[in-house]
Amino acid sequence: GENVEQHPSTLSVQEGDSAVIKCTYSDSASNYFPWYKQELGKRPQLIIDIRSNVGEKKDQRIAVTLNKTAKHFSLHITETQPEDSAVYFCAAPSMIKAAGNKLTFGGGTRVLVKP
Amino acid sequence: EPEVTQTPSHQVTQMGQEVILRCVPISNHLYFYWYRQILGQKVEFLVSFYNNEISEKSEIFDDQFSVERPDGSNFTLKIRSTKLEDSAMYFCASSALMGADGELFFGEGSRLTVL
Repeated sequence: GENVEQHPSTLSVQEGDSAVIKCTYSDSASNYFPWYKQELGKRPQLIIDIRSNVGEKKDQRIAVTLNKTAKHFSLHITETQPEDSAVYFCAAPSMIKAAGNKLTFGGGTRVLVKP
Repeated sequence: EPEVTQTPSHQVTQMGQEVILRCVPISNHLYFYWYRQILGQKVEFLVSFYNNEISEKSEIFDDQFSVERPDGSNFTLKIRSTKLEDSAMYFCASSALMGADGELFFGEGSRLTVL
């Protein structure tokens, strides 16, 4: 099955600085890599994802890069703001025969943006 | 915007009691999932459900767990005899498609506390 490792486990940055979170995965057949943001006591919310046919995707201050050869992908947040403080999870799917996706999540990164 | 809804939001139960957590997936979705998150830990896959049967389950999903889609809208998770270690947030999720187009939509979660 899929194994997803995420680093760092905690990240503290000054407001306005950039934050980078890295993940590695094991299943070379994985083709979809979502990132979720989870605020305290809330559900995980999809913030960006990348398909395996592209190397980079950007959405305003958030970008994700994918290196399929090395089996790693990263989340980049630029110009961080206090509301970016949350736990971020990367994930990768393991295809279940022909019956949907099972997501394996990384261990999470607690991001604290200090004003 | 359609969303996955879950009830109850919080349930407190005594060890050994049966618990049923309920979910209403997004109406045109075909794939249904339960995940759980122990406090402060990562989100873990429990089970996936498609075409009225379990398509995959994790080692966490032992004989004490079962899922059912009793009608066209509800998707339930039953824990027959709860243990202390079942205390967690349980998230239901659904997706319309499989593969890279199968974005998972999570419900707000049901917090289970076993005393």
